[in-house]
Amino acid sequence: AQSVSQHNHHVILSEAASLELGCNYSYGGTVNLFWYVQYPGQHLQLLLKYFSGDPLVKGIKGFEAEFIKSKFSFNLRKPSVQWSDTAEYFCAVGRGSTLGRLYFGRGTQLTVWP
Amino acid sequence: GAGVSQSPSNKVTEKGKDVELRCDPISGHTALYWYRQRLGQGLEFLIYFQGNSAPDKSGLPSDRFSAERTGESVSTLTIQRTQQEDSAVYLCASSSPAGHNEQFFGPGTRLTVL
Repeated sequence: AQSVSQHNHHVILSEAASLELGCNYSYGGTVNLFWYVQYPGQHLQLLLKYFSGDPLVKGIKGFEAEFIKSKFSFNLRKPSVQWSDTAEYFCAVGRGSTLGRLYFGRGTQLTVWP
Repeated sequence: GAGVSQSPSNKVTEKGKDVELRCDPISGHTALYWYRQRLGQGLEFLIYFQGNSAPDKSGLPSDRFSAERTGESVSTLTIQRTQQEDSAVYLCASSSPAGHNEQFFGPGTRLTVL
């Protein structure tokens, strides 16, 4: 069965620290990959996405993620976090280029101290 | 409106009552999804509608759950004889065939079953 693993459930950082959140999935076919973010009191919004091409994708607010096919991974990174990055981050995987359900990880709560 | 809308935003009900949740997708989005998010957990897929095709109901947890969608417009999720374990945030999302399954989420309905 398809599964998505986010290894860190809660990450606490100081401002300006670097961030890397891990995401691994188990599906062996073509995938579409997403990171969603949920800021406190707000609804889920897309941070970045990968469909094809350059495996290093850049999203909003200085975030980037790298798709490593051989490792079934799509880790999220940011060189220098800000207090406003405090939020919950979800990795999601879709199968191929067709529409259909997304498989979500359990989420990682990021807390950034000023 | 520009985004996915859901109503009500909050619903408190007594165990055993039926509830109906509504979702209004982005205009032109042919695909509509319902997910459930329990406290501290990731998103759990419930059901997916795509155009006039038969819906993918594989995520519905029991026969107390059902959903309908009229054409490519609004959808309603109905939970009959609610139980306390149904308490969760119910999220609706929609996507376009041209969007590589990028899903746009509504604000959710927080359901509390007493």
